[in-house]
Amino acid sequence: DTGVSQDPRHKITKRGQNVTFRCDPISEHNRLYWYRQTLGQGPEFLTYFQNEAQLEKSRLLSDRFSAERPKGSFSTLEIQRTEQGDSAMYLCASSRARDSKETQYFGPGTRLLVL
Amino acid sequence: AQKITQTQPGMFVQEKEAVTLDCTYDTSDQSYGLFWYKQPSSGEMIFLIYQGSYDEQNATEGRYSLNFQKARKSANLVISASQLGDSAMYFCAMREGPGDKIIFGKGTRLHILP
Repeated sequence: DTGVSQDPRHKITKRGQNVTFRCDPISEHNRLYWYRQTLGQGPEFLTYFQNEAQLEKSRLLSDRFSAERPKGSFSTLEIQRTEQGDSAMYLCASSRARDSKETQYFGPGTRLLVL
Repeated sequence: AQKITQTQPGMFVQEKEAVTLDCTYDTSDQSYGLFWYKQPSSGEMIFLIYQGSYDEQNATEGRYSLNFQKARKSANLVISASQLGDSAMYFCAMREGPGDKIIFGKGTRLHILP
């Protein structure tokens, strides 16, 4: 059994460029979550999917951010026209709805640095 | 208002001693879940322990136990016999809403001293 994986692990980009991150959840998990963590803070919720449906988006998710989970398996998070304030760790987590503990298991994260 | 409060930004503990990390939470829901995660310097969030609001017994997982005091809305993490590898950031968290998103506290950085 493999855990949640994320790609890339690190990304350095110039302001104004677009970036895309990928998350592969644990295979039997139907829920997938994206969080953002800035330095010295706890992760903050961005959005989540149940299967392929995006059911909730945080106000943190500006219109430059878009997330997809087209086949209910992997997900992508795209940031358009990146800004320096987008520099953060982007964490993906997955869980199995109806699991008694409803525990979310996190991937290793993608560290984004916008220059 | 903060929903998860961790009042200890940092702690230093001697190896092999027990350590308690404090956490208080705020919710009006009757059904909720509380988590502790560990985040080493590598950045990965590692699930440690879960407590459901209706669980009558305090959760335990190996050296980790959760001291759940519902009336006081506290969910302290106790690590017994601390080890050098326990040095990390620890986050208390609560699941919220129909989608079960997790709200995290600001974390406590734990340093285990040899």
